[in-house]
Amino acid sequence: DADVTQTPRNRITKTGKRIMLECSQTKGHDRMYWYRQDPGLGLQLIYYSFDVKDINKGEISDGYSVSRQAQAKFSLSLESAIPNQTALYFCATSSGSEHTGELFFGEGSRLTVL
Amino acid sequence: GQNIDQPTEMTATEGAIVQINCTYQTSGFNGLFWYQQHAGEAPTFLSYNVLDGLEEKGRFSSFLSRSKGYSYLLLKELQMKDSASYLCASMDSNYQLIWGAGTKLIIKP
Repeated sequence: DADVTQTPRNRITKTGKRIMLECSQTKGHDRMYWYRQDPGLGLQLIYYSFDVKDINKGEISDGYSVSRQAQAKFSLSLESAIPNQTALYFCATSSGSEHTGELFFGEGSRLTVL
Repeated sequence: GQNIDQPTEMTATEGAIVQINCTYQTSGFNGLFWYQQHAGEAPTFLSYNVLDGLEEKGRFSSFLSRSKGYSYLLLKELQMKDSASYLCASMDSNYQLIWGAGTKLIIKP
């Protein structure tokens, strides 16, 4: 089983719908992240959390919200999806040690907003 | 502003050597990372450099020059399975990763 699991893996929805992407991890890491990946662009950080009570905006947080339900769970919500949120979304974790740039990614959630 | 530059695409021959370059400009610097991403899959960590010089790990090596804002990933004895995108990322003063768009490496027999 994967250490970082994302659900759903694929989702097609319509403009204006609320969407939740879920992430759970068994690595025991405190730090969790949500990124989006678009063709021709680098990974962009949406939100990150260093522990259950800590939530921080990334570079592109507008239109998104998150919830850290437990150390192992970090959900991303799109309250009212729009077509330019069509992208591949990745959840990632890290240990918080000096090697904080070593991220462990989930398999990705491909979201299409029509 | 913060910026990571790497070539969009490279082609190499099976068994050969290829060098993928990356230049970076970030607010502060706390390390340079390389990741491999096969098509349709998640990125996986390859290497980390924080000091100048070459770090070797099997067929893959990574080099860093902090004064030049430059890194490269060197892949030796290329195999077909090395066909993937290679992502360069610099960690800034806030310990946030700034990512390049990735270099798609195509390996030909």
